[in-house]
Parts: sequence; structure tokens; C-alpha cells
Amino acid sequence: GESVGLHLPTLSVQEGDNSIINCAYSNSASDYFIWYKQESGKGPQFIIDIRSNMDKRQGQRVTVLLNKTVKHLSLQIAATQPGDSAVYFCAENIAGTASKLTFGTGTRLQVTL
Amino acid sequence: NAGVTQTPKFQVLKTGQSMTLQCAQDMNHEYMSWYRQDPGMGLRLIHYSVGAGITDQGEVPNGYNVSRSTTEDFPLRLLSAAPSQTSVYFCASSYSDRVKAFFGQGTRLTVV
Repeated sequence: GESVGLHLPTLSVQEGDNSIINCAYSNSASDYFIWYKQESGKGPQFIIDIRSNMDKRQGQRVTVLLNKTVKHLSLQIAATQPGDSAVYFCAENIAGTASKLTFGTGTRLQVTL
Repeated sequence: NAGVTQTPKFQVLKTGQSMTLQCAQDMNHEYMSWYRQDPGMGLRLIHYSVGAGITDQGEVPNGYNVSRSTTEDFPLRLLSAAPSQTSVYFCASSYSDRVKAFFGQGTRLTVV
């Protein structure tokens, strides 16, 4: 069953295209950011993280970009596959706050064939 | 390697009942947290712990209690369930501050 709401922003992408999911964070003191993927009925799954001393970090098929000036984070997924269909959350953490994460509301990625 | 295990997966309670949601991790992580997820609101932090014997409140602690007697376990207690506590609950653990957290599969709780 659904584990998140029905009114999430939705991004529809064709299989094979690149996806870009955006996130605006609120706290200028946040210095660590994570992207999570959540499939229906499952817990959030770690994708990639980035610290505030970096602007870009690459993983396997994923890239995270951080723009501290405008407090914006993006997740780029290359060659999007049907298995990438899920809800994606960004989360922020402030140094010294004991791993307390503040989550965004999420974006639903739908991959069409 | 089980990771973070939550039980039960589903639970229905009547208003006023109490219950405990269980969370166990086998990664020897010091940090553990409880979140709730409501439609359209992402995950919100209820309580967290930085080690055995140490707990603190998160963003939405009212109506919930926690304790951390061992590194492995971090149970969440609902003292007197209310319909507003209908939600999906996730437990998470990490080995340190500002590192990725691992999440359990969640407990879907309905209070009628």
C-alpha cells in the first residue's frame, strides 16, 4: 500500500532519459544532506549524501548538486530505469544535532516506458 | 545481516489503548531514532538516542515515550493512543553523527 501522500509533486520521465529532482532546504546552518528513495510499503533507502564543503558528489548513475547560496539541492539520475520509480526525499542535518534529520515532503518519480 | 528490524508491521488500536513498537538493530550503531510519516508531510522526528541510557525529544514527542537500555533496542511506547497517532512509524540507526541512517521497514499503526 501507499506509504506517502497522494498529493506529492510528481515527475514523469521516460525510460532512458535523465531525471532531476529538486529540493529547497530551510536552515542555513545545515551542513550535511542525504537523498533517500522510498518504494511503496518500504522504509527509506539511502542513495547518496553530501557535506556542505562540497558542491557536487557522484555515485553510480546518481549525482547530487548543492548550492548553498540559494539553499538548493538536486538529485540527478542518469538513464532512468523503471526500478527508479519511487518517492525521493532530501534530508538535512545540522552539525552537533546528533544525527537528527529534517526531511522534505518528497517528490514522486514515475518512469514511463 | 538483518539491519534494522521493526515489529509489528501492522497494528490496529482502540483509542486509549497503550502499546510498544519494537525496534532492534544488529549493526552496533550508537544513534537510533523514531520518525512518523504522515501523508504529504515527509518524516518527522519523534525521539532519538545517542547511546544506551541517553534519549531526547525530537520535533513531535507528545504522546510517546522511549527508553534505551541496550545498544541494540529502542522501543517506542504509546501511552494512550489517539486517532491523531495513526501513521507509519520508522525506526532508524546510524553509527555516528552526520552519517547515513539506515531505516527499518516501518510499522503501520491505525487508531480507531
